[in-house]
Amino acid sequence: NAGVTQTPKFQVLKTGQSMTLQCAQDMNHEYMSWYRQDPGMGLRLIHYSVGAGITDQGEVPNGYNVSRSTTEDFPLRLLSAAPSQTSVYFCASSYGIAGTGKYEQYFGPGTRLTVT
Amino acid sequence: GDSVTQMEGPVTLSEEAFLTINCTYTATGYPSLFWYVQYPGEGLQLLLKATKADDKGSNKGFEATYRKETTSFHLEKGSVQVSDSAVYFCALREETSGSRLTFGEGTQLTVNP
Repeated sequence: NAGVTQTPKFQVLKTGQSMTLQCAQDMNHEYMSWYRQDPGMGLRLIHYSVGAGITDQGEVPNGYNVSRSTTEDFPLRLLSAAPSQTSVYFCASSYGIAGTGKYEQYFGPGTRLTVT
Repeated sequence: GDSVTQMEGPVTLSEEAFLTINCTYTATGYPSLFWYVQYPGEGLQLLLKATKADDKGSNKGFEATYRKETTSFHLEKGSVQVSDSAVYFCALREETSGSRLTFGEGTQLTVNP
């Protein structure tokens, strides 16, 4: 298994440009999510999905769109990049078995995005 | 809402020193608690977890005990190595929140030879 993969690893954008961060997982996990990591702030949830066709907003969704057409893929779109979106972005997938305490979340290697 | 607070970093230790990284939480229910580790240039990896009060999670010499009375989940290691240098994140998950994790700010640990 490749686990959770993300592309690209690094990206530089100019203000106003758009782009899509790719995320894929091969573990057949229903739940996927996007976080951003900023110094001193830990990881903050942007958007998440509990299954194909279902997405919802997290803590900091503004400026980002997501879709989930397949179980495997969960791309994150920046429609008009702003310097405040300079960050490291992590995609994660997870499984959980309700009522058992069995749960684990797997993270991708991250995408470092700079918006100038 | 739920929140996780970690001790402020960065933390710098000499090899073989004792490590404690404090973590306290606020939650409405009975969360599961986690420690994740992030090595330089990599994503987060699960280090250990505990799912109910008084459980002790352990892995690679690290330990943390779920203390409901003090709402804490402090990370400890008896003798750190240079290879333990990383950022450590405490996190919680409420059963009712599905798979959503709430993270602390992260603590940078540097271990010098």
